Amino acid sequence: AQSVTQLGSHVSVSEGALVLLRCNYSSSVPPYLFWYVQYPNQGLQLLLKYTSAATLVKGINGFEAEFKKSETSFHLTKPSAHMSDAAEYFCAVRSPAAGNKLTFGGGTRVLVKP
Amino acid sequence: EPEVTQTPSHQVTQMGQEVILRCVPISNHLYFYWYRQILGQKVEFLVSFYNNEISEKSEIFDDQFSVERPDGSNFTLKIRSTKLEDSAMYFCASSDRGTGGEKLFFGSGTQLSVL
Repeated sequence: AQSVTQLGSHVSVSEGALVLLRCNYSSSVPPYLFWYVQYPNQGLQLLLKYTSAATLVKGINGFEAEFKKSETSFHLTKPSAHMSDAAEYFCAVRSPAAGNKLTFGGGTRVLVKP
Repeated sequence: EPEVTQTPSHQVTQMGQEVILRCVPISNHLYFYWYRQILGQKVEFLVSFYNNEISEKSEIFDDQFSVERPDGSNFTLKIRSTKLEDSAMYFCASSDRGTGGEKLFFGSGTQLSVL
């Protein structure tokens, strides 16, 4: 079975500070990994994905994530937070061996302070 | 960017009533999905649909649930007799492939409240 754990349901950062959102996964085979973002009253939007190419993945809005197999992690970072980054962020795993469904973490809500 | 459209955005119903949640996936997509999120809980997979049949479903998706693609554009989720615990945000999604690494496009959701 596959699962995703996101450490911290809420994160507060100052504008201009580093954003770090943690995600650990478990999967019996190398998975596909995703970060989605949800802005208020909107659907889930893909930020970036890992599909077994480069381990450092760059996404939209200045976000990037690094796949570390030894740590079973896929943490999301952004060097400098912007007010518009306030949203909820979801890490998700998908594996053909587990039927191809997306399994989501619990989400991390990011608050950006001016 | 193309969008998945869901209607209505909010639905209130009485326990035991049937509800149909509607979705218009992206026009050239072939794979369709329903997910839901109960307040305070994780987003959960319900069902995937391809080539006019269910390709995978979760334990949540019991006989009270059904999906249909009644025409070339709509994808619906029907709950036959709603329960209080069906109250959740329901998300429709679509993709052009089903290999696993592709991007899913999500709609903005239908908030279902069962009273």
